[in-house]
Amino acid sequence: DARVTQTPRHKVTEMGQEVTMRCQPILGHNTVFWYRQTMMQGLELLAYFRNRAPLDDSGMPKDRFSAEMPDATLATLKIQPSEPRDSAVYFCASGLVRTRGARGNTGELFFGEGSRLTVL
Amino acid sequence: GESVGLHLPTLSVQEGDNSIINCAYSNSASDYFIWYKQESGKGPQFIIDIRSNMDKRQGQRVTVLLNKTVKHLSLQIAATQPGDSAVYFCAENPSSGTYKYIFGTGTRLKVLA
Repeated sequence: DARVTQTPRHKVTEMGQEVTMRCQPILGHNTVFWYRQTMMQGLELLAYFRNRAPLDDSGMPKDRFSAEMPDATLATLKIQPSEPRDSAVYFCASGLVRTRGARGNTGELFFGEGSRLTVL
Repeated sequence: GESVGLHLPTLSVQEGDNSIINCAYSNSASDYFIWYKQESGKGPQFIIDIRSNMDKRQGQRVTVLLNKTVKHLSLQIAATQPGDSAVYFCAENPSSGTYKYIFGTGTRLKVLA
């Protein structure tokens, strides 16, 4: 049963510490997304990759957040230094997103269970 | 675990009745739409999608309707079951050629026994 795997599931850290979240996308998927979910903002797109290349990270605070895909089986989201306002659930999703000519994209996204981050 | 805003709209439905969850999207150029279901403590799960060249699509117990004139999307769940209790999100792809799905704020569905 293919699924997106995220680690850690829960992380409590102190302000100023580095946090790294990891994601193993579903094998064969060409697009990986990082979303953040909070009670007030809902689901926000932070960054996404296609075929491991970063396509857009405009939703991410650049000074402290970084996202990478060192290989096809691993995506990482790093926060350094972390702040209390970063407390949220971070979701990774992957999909086999296709473009059909001028008609645009189709593609179901498969989400992981999320990494719940609490920054004290 | 929490996954939605404090002021999340809530729809309460009697078990066995049909549910209709509505969503207004923002971008008239959006060409693809998805409905997701999120249960407490879990990630969103795909339910059904629809492209902008369609106005209706049916799945198993679910139907999505798209009204491009008023930028409105709805999800109909037939014979609602306790397992349908969750938060439902619509998502739009506002820019053809990109993958920047934008999620709505969500609606909580409560199924009453």
